[in-house]
Amino acid sequence: QKEVEQNSGPLSVPEGAIASLNCTYSDRVSQSFFWYRQYSGKSPELIMSIYSNGDKEDGRFTAQLNKASQYVSLLIRDSQPSDSATYLCAVMEGSNDYKLSFGAGTTVTVRA
Amino acid sequence: NAGVMQNPRHLVRRRGQEARLRCSPMKGHSHVYWYRQLPEEGLKFMVYLQKENIIDESGMPKERFSAEFPKEGPSILRIQQVVRGDSAAYFCASSPWDTSSNTDTQYFGPGTRLTVL
Repeated sequence: QKEVEQNSGPLSVPEGAIASLNCTYSDRVSQSFFWYRQYSGKSPELIMSIYSNGDKEDGRFTAQLNKASQYVSLLIRDSQPSDSATYLCAVMEGSNDYKLSFGAGTTVTVRA
Repeated sequence: NAGVMQNPRHLVRRRGQEARLRCSPMKGHSHVYWYRQLPEEGLKFMVYLQKENIIDESGMPKERFSAEFPKEGPSILRIQQVVRGDSAAYFCASSPWDTSSNTDTQYFGPGTRLTVL
C-alpha cells in the first residue's frame, strides 16, 4: 500500500478557532483525495473529496491540494466541540482508482 | 436511502473458530471493499469485489481469509481458525462508480468489531 502521512496529534484547539490538518502522500500519480471523520468507536464518515489543485470549500471545511508537493490539507473554521474526532486522510492509488490508502489519522479536540 | 449495512456489529470468537462478517452495500452500489482497522492503527485495504468477482485481494492474508460477493445476498468476509491477532474492526465500504467524473467515492458501513478470546 502507498504511504500516507498525517501530522501527529493530538491537536487541541479552542472553540471558534481554526484547526489545520496536514497530509502528504507518496504516490505521484494519485488523482483522488478524501478526508474522513471518525468518531471514537464509529465508522469513517466522508467529509470532503478533492481532485484538482487549489482549494475546495464546503461549509466550515476547506480542503487544499498541491499535487506537485504531494500535499493535501484540511482546515476546519469556527471549530465546534462536535468537531472533536479523528480525521483520516485517504488517497486513492493512481494505478487502479479503487484502492484507498489511509493515514493513521489526526485526533482533534475542540475545547469549549 | 439506507446506508451500507454490516452485521453483526460485535462478534466474539474463541481461537480456532470461524468468523463470518456480512455487508450489504448501499442501494444501487455494486462495488464492495473491505478494510481492517487494528487498534491504534489506520485502515488497511483488504479486498475489492464486484458481484460474483474478486477484483483485487492483494491486502488480504493468503491463509484463513476469504471473501465473496454472490449474485444474490450480502458480501461475506470469512476468517477461519481465528487468532488473537485477528481482533480488529472490519469495515465494509461500497461505491456506485461515478462514471461522470471517473472517481469512486466510498461510503463506509458501521463496521464489525471482532474480538478473539
